[in-house]
Amino acid sequence: AQSVTQLDSHVSVSEGTPVLLRCNYSSSYSPSLFWYVQHPNKGLQLLLKYTSAATLVKGINGFEAEFKKSETSFHLTKPSAHMSDAAEYFCVVSGAGSGTYKYIFGTGTRLKVLA
Amino acid sequence: DTGVSQDPRHKITKRGQNVTFRCDPISEHNRLYWYRQTLGQGPEFLTYFQNEAQLEKSRLLSDRFSAERPKGSFSTLEIQRTEQGDSAMYLCASSLVSGSAKNIQYFGAGTRLSVL
Repeated sequence: AQSVTQLDSHVSVSEGTPVLLRCNYSSSYSPSLFWYVQHPNKGLQLLLKYTSAATLVKGINGFEAEFKKSETSFHLTKPSAHMSDAAEYFCVVSGAGSGTYKYIFGTGTRLKVLA
Repeated sequence: DTGVSQDPRHKITKRGQNVTFRCDPISEHNRLYWYRQTLGQGPEFLTYFQNEAQLEKSRLLSDRFSAERPKGSFSTLEIQRTEQGDSAMYLCASSLVSGSAKNIQYFGAGTRLSVL
């Protein structure tokens, strides 16, 4: 079975400071991992994906994530937060090796950026 | 840009009524997925199609829910005899089965259902 745990439901940072959103996963198979962002009244937008190539994955808008198999983690980071980064972020696991292509979402982390 | 399109965006209905939502995927995408998202939660998988075949259904998809994708293009999700617990955002996504973007799901903006 696959699962994903987002360790913080809310994160607040000041504009210009680093962002860290934490995600741990569980998978019996080699997983595909994703981060999506959801702005109010907007659809989910893909930030980045990990699919067993490089362990450090670069995404859009300056975000990146590092896959650490030993820690079963896939934390999302950004060096400097911008006001427009305020949104809900979802960590997702999927595993074609498990015979299914469905996404398993975490419960989300709401990022607040303070001026 | 012809992304994933969902209609309607909002639906208000009375308990016991039937509702139907439509999803138009990205045109060349073979797989189509439905998810449900309640307030403060991540989306939960309901079902998915590959072309016109419905390949997997979640236990969340009770007998009152039915999804179709008759020609392998658009899909409909129908809820019969709606209950207040059905109030949620219903999300549709689509993906390719091959190529560099395979298995990446692209989401529509969702249909928000409110059952009174």
